[in-house]
Amino acid sequence: GAGVSQSPSNKVTEKGKDVELRCDPISGHTALYWYRQSLGQGLEFLIYFQGNSAPDKSGLPSDRFSAERTGGSVSTLTIQRTQQEDSAVYLCASSLAGTGGYEQYFGPGTRLTVT
Amino acid sequence: GEDVEQSLFLSVREGDSSVINCTYTDSSSTYLYWYKQEPGAGLQLLTYIFSNMDMKQDQRLTVLLNKKDKHLSLRIADTQTGDSAIYFCAPGQGQNFVFGPGTRLSVLP
Repeated sequence: GAGVSQSPSNKVTEKGKDVELRCDPISGHTALYWYRQSLGQGLEFLIYFQGNSAPDKSGLPSDRFSAERTGGSVSTLTIQRTQQEDSAVYLCASSLAGTGGYEQYFGPGTRLTVT
Repeated sequence: GEDVEQSLFLSVREGDSSVINCTYTDSSSTYLYWYKQEPGAGLQLLTYIFSNMDMKQDQRLTVLLNKKDKHLSLRIADTQTGDSAIYFCAPGQGQNFVFGPGTRLSVLP
């Protein structure tokens, strides 16, 4: 079956513009994660969705970042008024459950460049 | 919160063994994962170990866990050029996983 897909694969935007990044998780996976990977850095947790529960937004770096997950499937990460420090690869992952012991399946990422 | 550290770079010759080390701070971590990221790709789960285990072997991979010292290692036997990638350790529990900065493994011919 299909894995996790993300679009676009690359996005170049001007500082101050809004961007939307999309994630299509594996069908049936109830948990969905967003991470940010800056050049040479590890993964920075952003937000986590589990079923119909309220998302864990504890990793969002500022109120310019928001995410939603419609119908328990597709998720959109929105960054408003982008800044140069937002440039990074944004990775989405899904898993069968949010509890430990379940593998996270990662998408290929969206590379965001803010000029 | 959890703090995870790894050496950033490791170079080995093809055929040698590679040992990638990871230290963490949260002793309540119940699952400790190793992920591999090849160039331009997302992360893939390589292996994992439960906190009640000391060692896990899976073909060329050996994971060692020292809970007392909060030290995790990944040994790759007979390292091949296809093993060149970034390796992330990720200890955690529940939905809370913290990824280390990753170790870039370069395999020299």
